[in-house]
Amino acid sequence: GQSLEQPSEVTAVEGAIVQINCTYQTSGFYGLSWYQQHDGGAPTFLSYNGLDGLEETGRFSSFLSRSDSYGYLLLQELQMKDSASYFCAVRDRGNNDMRFGAGTRLTVKP
Amino acid sequence: NAGVTQTPKFRVLKTGQSMTLLCAQDMNHEYMYWYRQDPGMGLRLIHYSVGEGTTAKGEVPDGYNVSRLKKQNFLLGLESAAPSQTSVYFCASSPGGLERQQFFGPGTRLTVL
Repeated sequence: GQSLEQPSEVTAVEGAIVQINCTYQTSGFYGLSWYQQHDGGAPTFLSYNGLDGLEETGRFSSFLSRSDSYGYLLLQELQMKDSASYFCAVRDRGNNDMRFGAGTRLTVKP
Repeated sequence: NAGVTQTPKFRVLKTGQSMTLLCAQDMNHEYMYWYRQDPGMGLRLIHYSVGEGTTAKGEVPDGYNVSRLKKQNFLLGLESAAPSQTSVYFCASSPGGLERQQFFGPGTRLTVL
């Protein structure tokens, strides 16, 4: 089996940097993905780490360490519009399906 | 391009009734997915398809059936709805494997009384 764990809530102020961690237990996986979802909206893809290391896309970066079963999403220069839920997800090799974490609700305050 | 569309947007069913949710994509993607999302939880994969005429079970397939007769459409059926199936259902598609970028539809909010 597998499970993904991430903090349920994170609060930060505008302009700050926040890191959302994701730890996972799985027998094997293809990589770690991150999705953003605003209240009442659909999830939207942010990033994918197939290899260990850091991937950067604008203000967002994502990191993966397979040896530590750990990844994170880094959001810089926070804006009010970044207030949303963020989900990590993996494709499990054994079950060959997608598993999502329960999500981290980020609140950005002025 | 409309991307991924879902029909209907809202539906209320009584226990035991049946219904079909329709998902359509105009991006020529091979992969399509059906997820459910319950309050405060992440997405859970119900079924998916890696191409026209193929389907596979996800994490929570019981009580649901799917069909992919055309590449652009993926149907999710509930044969006998139960209150436990009250949820928001999202359809998604992707050009490559499950781990790659998935494009989501707007969701269908289903309530089973």
